Amino acid sequence: DAKTTQPTSMDCAEGRAANLPCNHSTISGNEYVYWYRQIHSQGPQYIIHGLKNNETNEMASLIITEDRKSSTLILPHATLRDTAVYYCIVRALTGGGNKLTFGTGTQLKVEL
Amino acid sequence: GAGVSQSPSNKVTEKGKDVELRCDPISGHTALYWYRQSLGQGLEFLIYFQGNSAPDKSGLPSDRFSAERTGGSVSTLTIQRTQQEDSAVYLCASSSTSGNLNEQYFGPGTRLTVT
Repeated sequence: DAKTTQPTSMDCAEGRAANLPCNHSTISGNEYVYWYRQIHSQGPQYIIHGLKNNETNEMASLIITEDRKSSTLILPHATLRDTAVYYCIVRALTGGGNKLTFGTGTQLKVEL
Repeated sequence: GAGVSQSPSNKVTEKGKDVELRCDPISGHTALYWYRQSLGQGLEFLIYFQGNSAPDKSGLPSDRFSAERTGGSVSTLTIQRTQQEDSAVYLCASSSTSGNLNEQYFGPGTRLTVT
């Protein structure tokens, strides 16, 4: 699987948009970009995924650059409950049994 | 509906003892995963069950680790002769298929501390 690089930590004011970057310069053509988050003392939670088009759901938006070498997860109106570690991973949907491997992610702290 | 549950939520054991960790997946989910998360580290895959197929054990760190899934539902992860480096949060996830990463639903984890 392609490796990803994320900042260690970020801060965001409540009500503002949180923009979390991820670099995946070695991504292959059949690999998707997935985002998960993990709130303290809970298991990881799926947020969103995409291949090359931008995606939006009720939780977030995902912006993928045209060359697919980087992406940004956007939480449009961050709340205190969005404080969590956010993980960006890239992998193909087939093969490997879909086992997940996370790095250390970005610790997002949403403050008043 | 009920999510993935794990028990115990916390386990403290002495070095050398055996421990059993339990996972109850979402009803009807055919795929079940065990992961480990050490303090300040990312997620490490351990083992994967899919239906009646032979499990993918490629992530188990040593032969002290084993897992069973009885009747295609509940799973038990067993660690024999525990070592201090086994201390971690052990997470279980289940999914209805093996085809989509977004369908993996995680339990709250079991925090294992080996003293």
